[in-house]
Amino acid sequence: GAVVSQHPSRVICKSGTSVKIECRSLDFQATTMFWYRQFPKQSLMLMATSNEGSKATYEQGVEKDKFLINHASLTLSTLTVTSAHPEDSSFYICSAREGFGGYEQYFGPGTRLTVT
Amino acid sequence: DQQVKQNSPSLSVQEGRISILNCDYTNSMFDYFLWYKKYPAEGPTFLISISSIKDKNEDGRFTVFLNKSAKHLSLHIVPSQPGDSAVYFCAARPYNTDKLIFGTGTRLQVFP
Repeated sequence: GAVVSQHPSRVICKSGTSVKIECRSLDFQATTMFWYRQFPKQSLMLMATSNEGSKATYEQGVEKDKFLINHASLTLSTLTVTSAHPEDSSFYICSAREGFGGYEQYFGPGTRLTVT
Repeated sequence: DQQVKQNSPSLSVQEGRISILNCDYTNSMFDYFLWYKKYPAEGPTFLISISSIKDKNEDGRFTVFLNKSAKHLSLHIVPSQPGDSAVYFCAARPYNTDKLIFGTGTRLQVFP
């Protein structure tokens, strides 16, 4: 159980275009989903936290107008990178938490974004 | 400011021996600590956790030790297996938040 999927696994886009990444909890209802990014040989950095049906909470330094997060249902959250630039190239990982008050997060396999 | 630190970027251990991965933190306001294992181009998978009110938690070959006075936790893997080769992240959850703050990771290589 506790499987999280992400789509696409890899995407290449041109500078200035937008890219949408989907995160789905396959066998549980995720009241909270998290979006991280990881640069090579660095830690996972939390970008934002989203609760189903409400606006995402962004970490300091993350542009909410650039990284649009929608958590429209208990099994789906999307991250849209708008007007992508080469510096947005990174590994984006989502995670999901079941229920309230728990601490364990289940991670998706990640999406490698390359902006040319 | 890195609140959770893994000072050893890599560790090499012979199969069958013990692997000890270390993690230090600077903030006392964490209530849970977790260890994740990550393969390249994949998301982290949960291994084991420990509450801040405990000092040890064991699950099969994995044991996590927490030393609150030293703000230090460690993950022991025994016996180590080649399949354990991966990057290991420790993570900490601040009180009254949903967040996890990750360390920088330690690459473990288990050789035959």
